[in-house]
Amino acid sequence: DAGITQSPRHKVTETGTPVTLRCHQTENHRYMYWYRQDPGHGLRLIHYSYGVKDTDKGEVSDGYSVSRSKTEDFLLTLESATSSQTSVYFCAISPGQGAGANVLTFGAGSRLTVL
Amino acid sequence: DAKTTQPPSMDCAEGRAANLPCNHSTISGNEYVYWYRQIHSQGPQYIIHGLKNNETNEMASLIITEDRKSSTLILPHATLRDTAVYYCIVRGAFGNEKLTFGTGTRLTIIP
Repeated sequence: DAGITQSPRHKVTETGTPVTLRCHQTENHRYMYWYRQDPGHGLRLIHYSYGVKDTDKGEVSDGYSVSRSKTEDFLLTLESATSSQTSVYFCAISPGQGAGANVLTFGAGSRLTVL
Repeated sequence: DAKTTQPPSMDCAEGRAANLPCNHSTISGNEYVYWYRQIHSQGPQYIIHGLKNNETNEMASLIITEDRKSSTLILPHATLRDTAVYYCIVRGAFGNEKLTFGTGTRLTIIP
């Protein structure tokens, strides 16, 4: 999607290893989010950020941490990956102001498999 | 945030109008209705949003009832490429963001 990229797009890792997913935006949007998507559960919010160094938990934050040291990057870290964290992870951004303040733009997703 | 209720699945014939309903009976006065869709395994895509007036853009129309407790997304001439999962969510226009999606409606366009 224009203005937002996720990396890596695919990753296979082993249980117990650390994993970091990166979301990069060029839109200068204030808000950034990490969602996970699993069959039967729709999209569930993991963490979100409302500014540099400002983050908060979503509904499924256990086992995940995030960091945002600059406006354009939002990192999602799995300190010790488990098989239950096998999922597709989506990053999203929103401006936080103006007519489309709450309109989300999503990345293409990162498919993570934990063996 | 107000919760929404959508049918899990719907079919629509190609070329016909697809009408996707959403109930949001606990919506508050400052909350907007947003619609997104997700085609196959792609990231969700924004479609349209509105507060109380009907809205139309190049993708769809949004009809919100006068009491704002329900809405309908209309795809006027559905094509096979409209086959997707459609999400209806409600949220305030500004402020702290914690948007959560449900499981949506899986719309299948039949040739």
